[in-house]
Amino acid sequence: DADVTQTPRNRITKTGKRIMLECSQTKGHDRMYWYRQDPGLGLRLIYYSFDVKDINKGEISDGYSVSRQAQAKFSLSLESAIPNQTALYFCATSDPWTAGIQETQYFGPGTRLLVL
Amino acid sequence: GIQVEQSPPDLILQEGANSTLRCNFSDSVNNLQWFHQNPWGQLINLFYIPSGTKQNGRLSATTVATERYSLLYISSSQTTDSGVYFCAVVPPSGNNDMRFGAGTRLTVKP
Repeated sequence: DADVTQTPRNRITKTGKRIMLECSQTKGHDRMYWYRQDPGLGLRLIYYSFDVKDINKGEISDGYSVSRQAQAKFSLSLESAIPNQTALYFCATSDPWTAGIQETQYFGPGTRLLVL
Repeated sequence: GIQVEQSPPDLILQEGANSTLRCNFSDSVNNLQWFHQNPWGQLINLFYIPSGTKQNGRLSATTVATERYSLLYISSSQTTDSGVYFCAVVPPSGNNDMRFGAGTRLTVKP
């Protein structure tokens, strides 16, 4: 089984709708992240969480919100989806205790979102 | 914020050829990773290499942190190496805010 899973894998929605993307991990990592990738570009950080009581904004948090329901679950919500939020969304995890502050991030398979 | 530049943006190779991909970054880093994104969009960790040299099969990477660049070498390329290669860095801010380059799109032709 995959260590980092994302649901749904593909989603089509309409402008103005609220949607939630979910991420679960079995790696036992404290740190979780949400990124988006636009065509031809690298990933950009939306939000990150270092534990269940910690939520931080990333580079492009406007229009998004997150919820860290448990160590293993981190959800990303689009309160009112708009077409320029069409992108590939990735969840990632990391664990600082395996190598001090220099930890590796592990990515889920991605969710393709199309906002019409 | 830190800038990450990758070159070349596109690379087309014949199967069996070797290649070098470059990543330049504008500030010191705590973390540098190389990823391969396959044609299905999946991101695969290749190397965690904030400094030094590592090798894994036909792939190797070298980071010269003092000169702010990293190189990814692919030898004897195969069609399955096709995809986009990303360099990503984490500046020493303590937040593990990973910044990605725009990637190098590699196409290996049979």
